[in-house]
Amino acid sequence: AQTVTQSQPEMSVQEAETVTLSCTYDTSESNYYLFWYKQPPSRQMILVIRQEAYKQQNATENRFSVNFQKAAKSFSLKISDSQLGDTAMYFCAFMKAGAGGTSYGKLTFGQGTILTVHP
Amino acid sequence: EPEVTQTPSHQVTQMGQEVILRCVPISNHLYFYWYRQILGQKVEFLVSFYNNEISEKSEIFDDQFSVERPDGSNFTLKIRSTKLEDSAMYFCASSRDRVEKLFFGSGTQLSVL
Repeated sequence: AQTVTQSQPEMSVQEAETVTLSCTYDTSESNYYLFWYKQPPSRQMILVIRQEAYKQQNATENRFSVNFQKAAKSFSLKISDSQLGDTAMYFCAFMKAGAGGTSYGKLTFGQGTILTVHP
Repeated sequence: EPEVTQTPSHQVTQMGQEVILRCVPISNHLYFYWYRQILGQKVEFLVSFYNNEISEKSEIFDDQFSVERPDGSNFTLKIRSTKLEDSAMYFCASSRDRVEKLFFGSGTQLSVL
């Protein structure tokens, strides 16, 4: 079974600054995907960024980037130029990839990190 | 942008009652999922559904739970006899195929009294 651990229950950052959220995971799988989801106060789950384990290059999406360290089983999220709208709960999640590189939609989530961006 | 729609946003029920949570996945999606989040806890996988049958289910998804795609647009989660511990936010999600990008709805907050 896979486990995902987010060791920071809460983080805060000033607007326009950079913040990094930590995530570690444990798995015996070699082929998998990692995700960061954002859950604002509306509680909708919004995909922020995705990383394929077989890709060495770190994923980026605008102000969001990851530091994927496969050997260390670490997957941190960096938010640059933080904005007030980034205030949310952030979840790290793992998905095993099935045969042929496809997956089955079963995400294993971490406990979440509450990020507050201050003006 | 297309969205996954869930209704109702809040549902209150008495213990032992049946409840049906409804979801309208994105129209060209073929894979459907239910997750739940008990307040203060992790989001947990319940079930995945494809081609009118369950693909995978978790230990949580016992005989009290069932899913159905009654027509071409809706996807429902039924809890036959609700328990206090079923109180949670229930999220529906869908994906176009067996790929990794899931789109989530806004959730239904279920309160069992």
